[in-house]
Order: sequence, then C-alpha cells, then structure tokens
Amino acid sequence: AQSVTQLGSHVSVSEGALVLLRCNYSSSVPPYLFWYVQYPNQGLQLLLKYTSAATLVKGINGFEAEFKKSETSFHLTKPSAHMSDAAEYFCAVTRNSGNTPLVFGKGTRLSVIA
Amino acid sequence: DSGVTQTPKHLITATGQRVTLRCSPRSGDLSVYWYQQSLDQGLQFLIQYYNGEERAKGNILERFSAQQFPDLHSELNLSSLELGDSALYFCASSASDRNTGELFFGEGSRLTVL
Repeated sequence: AQSVTQLGSHVSVSEGALVLLRCNYSSSVPPYLFWYVQYPNQGLQLLLKYTSAATLVKGINGFEAEFKKSETSFHLTKPSAHMSDAAEYFCAVTRNSGNTPLVFGKGTRLSVIA
Repeated sequence: DSGVTQTPKHLITATGQRVTLRCSPRSGDLSVYWYQQSLDQGLQFLIQYYNGEERAKGNILERFSAQQFPDLHSELNLSSLELGDSALYFCASSASDRNTGELFFGEGSRLTVL
C-alpha cells in the first residue's frame, strides 16, 4: 500500500522567508507524487506533480519540489513566502501504472506572517 | 474555477436521515471521484466512476452509495446518517480512467449531522 506522511500539521513563516513543507512517501513501486493546495472555502488545486521525469519539479506560484528516492521524500519549497500563499497543502501519491486512487497526506497548514 | 460543480454547498440534517450530494464534472471528463475530508481522518478516497461504471472503491461505508449517470454527473447517497458522517465531501474529475493523479476538485459539500 502507498502512503505519504507530512511532517508538521502547521508551519508558520514570515513574509519573504523560505517555505519548506515536508513530505515523505512509502511505495513498493515507482510512485507518482503530487502537491495540492487548498485555499479557504475552496477545493483542492494541483500545485505540481512528479511522474518519473525530472526529479526537480516546478509548479505554479513559484513553488517547486524535489523527488529524492534515497530519502523517500518530496518536499515542497518556495524561496520567498507571500501572504497569498497562506493555505492548506497536501502531498499525495499514486502508482505510476494501473488504476489506484490518489492517497493524500493529512495536510500542512501554512501561515504567513507580515 | 475548476469547472467541477457540487451541490448543495452546505447541508444540515439529523441523525438517521438520508441525503444526496450531486456533482457535475468538468466538460469532457469521464471520471468522477468522491473524497471525504474530516479533521481526524483527513482526505479519504471513497469511490471512482468512469463513464458510468465503478472503477475503484475505497473506504466507503455500506450506508453510502454512488452512481454516475449517462450525462456523466454523479450522486453520492448517504443514508442512516450518524454524527461521525459530518464532513466535507469533495467531488473531483479527470479525463482518463487511469488515475494519473491530476484531479480537478469541486468546492465541496459540507454536511453537518446533528
């Protein structure tokens, strides 16, 4: 079975500071990995995805994530936080073949302090 | 706007009752997924339909059922409701029957069971 673990249910950063949201995955087969963002009172929106091509993946709004197989990690980063980045972020995993559902982590709430 | 429409946005009902949640996928998308989001369980996959047929089943209770109609909209039926069923129910859609992980989410239906 596949799973993801997000370290830290709440992360708080100052505006302009580095954003680092941690995600570790568990998968017995090569995974597809994703980050989704959920703004207040909205549905989830795809931020970026890793599908076994480049290990450094760039997404929307200046976010990027690096797939590290040796560390089973897929951490999300952004060099400089903006107030509009305040949201809930979800890491998710699925298999790279077949039809298995997307499995989400518990989420990390990002607060940005002015 | 993801293009996925869910109704109703909010629903308050009593224990033992039955409710129906409705989802219209993005234009052209054949797959519909239902997820339940609660504070303690996070985002849990319930069920997937593709072009009217059930494709994958997750942690869906026997009291819950779903279907996808010929016009591709889907309904999630929740019966004999319990307090613990209070949650945000998301519908998501994708073009393919293969779960590539790129899902488009609606804004959710918030169910409160009193």
